[in-house]
Amino acid sequence: DAGVIQSPRHEVTEMGQEVTLRCKPISGHDYLFWYRQTMMRGLELLIYFNNNVPIDDSGMPEDRFSAKMPNASFSTLKIQPSEPRDSAVYFCASSRQGLEQYFGPGTRLTVT
Amino acid sequence: SQQGEEDPQALSIQEGENATMNCSYKTSINNLQWYRQNSGRGLVHLILIRSNEREKHSGRLRVTLDTSKKSSSLLITASRAADTASYFCAPTGNQFYFGTGTSLTVIP
Repeated sequence: DAGVIQSPRHEVTEMGQEVTLRCKPISGHDYLFWYRQTMMRGLELLIYFNNNVPIDDSGMPEDRFSAKMPNASFSTLKIQPSEPRDSAVYFCASSRQGLEQYFGPGTRLTVT
Repeated sequence: SQQGEEDPQALSIQEGENATMNCSYKTSINNLQWYRQNSGRGLVHLILIRSNEREKHSGRLRVTLDTSKKSSSLLITASRAADTASYFCAPTGNQFYFGTGTSLTVIP
């Protein structure tokens, strides 16, 4: 298995632009998580899905952030409009039955 | 919040020594997991201990869990330079959170 795949690996954009991060979970996993990591705030859970349904989005910072999981093999995290304070590394992870999580390599987002 | 808090925040040891990291959490859990993160990479799962277990071993790793004190410890024996990384606990119940992490440096 190729593991969790995230794209792009790096994204540099200007404030106000829309940013879309993509994730392909491991086949057969029924949970998908989106995290954000910064030096100041550590690793934060943004949202997670179970069987493609959003279960807890309380970590989504504001309405500028949205996430979708149209099928079991694909999820997106969108930021619109982006702001400099959104600069961080965004991780996607998947797991079976909510147990061991397998993380992707992350997307390093820089908003200027 | 069930968010875990690791202690110490940073730890520096000589190669061959043992490293111990502690995790405290606030509410009831089903299991507690430990992860490692090398700089710039995603987290890697190390070990899971269920709430009805008190101790678990995996290679050079030893994890203990005390649900009465809401705490766990991770012991890495005979440390190697390659163990240099950040280590996170994840107390898991109805919610999913990671602790603040312990940065471990193993000096060759």
